Amino acid sequence: DTGVSQDPRHKITKRGQNVTFRCDPISEHNRLYWYRQTLGQGPEFLTYFQNEAQLEKSRLLSDRFSAERPKGSFSTLEIQRTEQGDSAMYLCASSFPEPGWGEKLFFGSGTQLSVL
Amino acid sequence: ELKVEQNPLFLSMQEGKNYTIYCNYSTTSDRLYWYRQDPGKSLESLFVLLSNGAVKQEGRLMASLDTKARLSTLHITAAVHDLSATYFCAADSGGGADGLTFGKGTHLIIQP
Repeated sequence: DTGVSQDPRHKITKRGQNVTFRCDPISEHNRLYWYRQTLGQGPEFLTYFQNEAQLEKSRLLSDRFSAERPKGSFSTLEIQRTEQGDSAMYLCASSFPEPGWGEKLFFGSGTQLSVL
Repeated sequence: ELKVEQNPLFLSMQEGKNYTIYCNYSTTSDRLYWYRQDPGKSLESLFVLLSNGAVKQEGRLMASLDTKARLSTLHITAAVHDLSATYFCAADSGGGADGLTFGKGTHLIIQP
């Protein structure tokens, strides 16, 4: 399977605990995005990498959230001191934009986080 | 700040009927994307519209873009049950920064 993969698929944690999610993008894609989606809403942009550089972060991303893409391949998203409001589906997407072809994102299946 | 609004947010229709989903966006964006999401699944890209007047069709779905009106439409022709899903439109501000801004989605149910 050469699609975007995310691990774990589901995570249940207690408030105050730290959690880490992993995303493996499509191998030739140089851009990687993290989004958050809550029930009944569209995905909300969190952050974006071009290769290993984190180029943009949403103001939604509090200082409890940190993302890395150390070698420009897989990425991790860590949430420290989780709160109930962090409960959501965390989606990873990757792309390889080509001039004149826009930015078609390929999404992974997501990690569903539940904070109790 | 780029904002994207879809309507309707919920649509129940019968098989065989035609309908249109509308997507308005607030600031200049020449690129518009449509995605489909099935329950519990991730998003699947349907169409990428890159210029004013762009029209793309696949099967019973046709998408168009009017950048002057800041409007995109997704038209469903002779709907079938398999098209039941949530459809999202998304616009970008160009250059990858801020990613795509998504609408809230249109939850479409097609009944036999």
